[in-house]
Amino acid sequence: ETGVTQTPRHLVMGMTNKKSLKCEQHLGHNAMYWYKQSAKKPLELMFVYSLEERVENNSVPSRFSPECPNSSHLFLHLHTLQPEDSALYLCASSRASDTQYFGPGTRLTVL
Amino acid sequence: GEDVEQSLFLSVREGDSSVINCTYTDSSSTYLYWYKQEPGAGLQLLTYIFSNMDMKQDQRLTVLLNKKDKHLSLRIADTQTGDSAIYFCAEGANSNSGYALNFGKGTSLLVTP
Repeated sequence: ETGVTQTPRHLVMGMTNKKSLKCEQHLGHNAMYWYKQSAKKPLELMFVYSLEERVENNSVPSRFSPECPNSSHLFLHLHTLQPEDSALYLCASSRASDTQYFGPGTRLTVL
Repeated sequence: GEDVEQSLFLSVREGDSSVINCTYTDSSSTYLYWYKQEPGAGLQLLTYIFSNMDMKQDQRLTVLLNKKDKHLSLRIADTQTGDSAIYFCAEGANSNSGYALNFGKGTSLLVTP
């Protein structure tokens, strides 16, 4: 247990569906992150929120839409995804520039 | 960004030492990290080293940092079958966008009885 939880753990969706991934941290951190982990590729940073404001989005397609309503919660809204978006989506949190702690991830399959 | 390089596979026998190597890219990295990922799980922080150190030991884990060569290694003493996992090296540094981690592709460690 790292203090970072993610739901759901597994998600299968069609290309026309809308779904959301949720991340919650219980560590009192003020920065949260979304990463994408695909087979045979390094982890890709998608979004960074610091003090609930987005500071990085790394040219992620608009079909991924993050939301950070407060410092403990982070969402990733998914809409009209493609099969190549199938991956493990990892959430992490940190205290400012300190060490990042990861959640268990959501395994997403897009049919 | 540029690549953090790691060998993809390592196989060792139970009880032996494992050494996983990594070369990183950014000489201004403040911290360097080792994360472990077991099947179906997220990344677990194993250890980290501040860039002004050259060695850190934590129980069975020893991290060596050669800043001149931008080389980082993780030694696991008395490797156990439960150590079988993927190990990721990551460099962290401050940038205009904030603090970010740049990961390698991971080294799959297989420990055989």
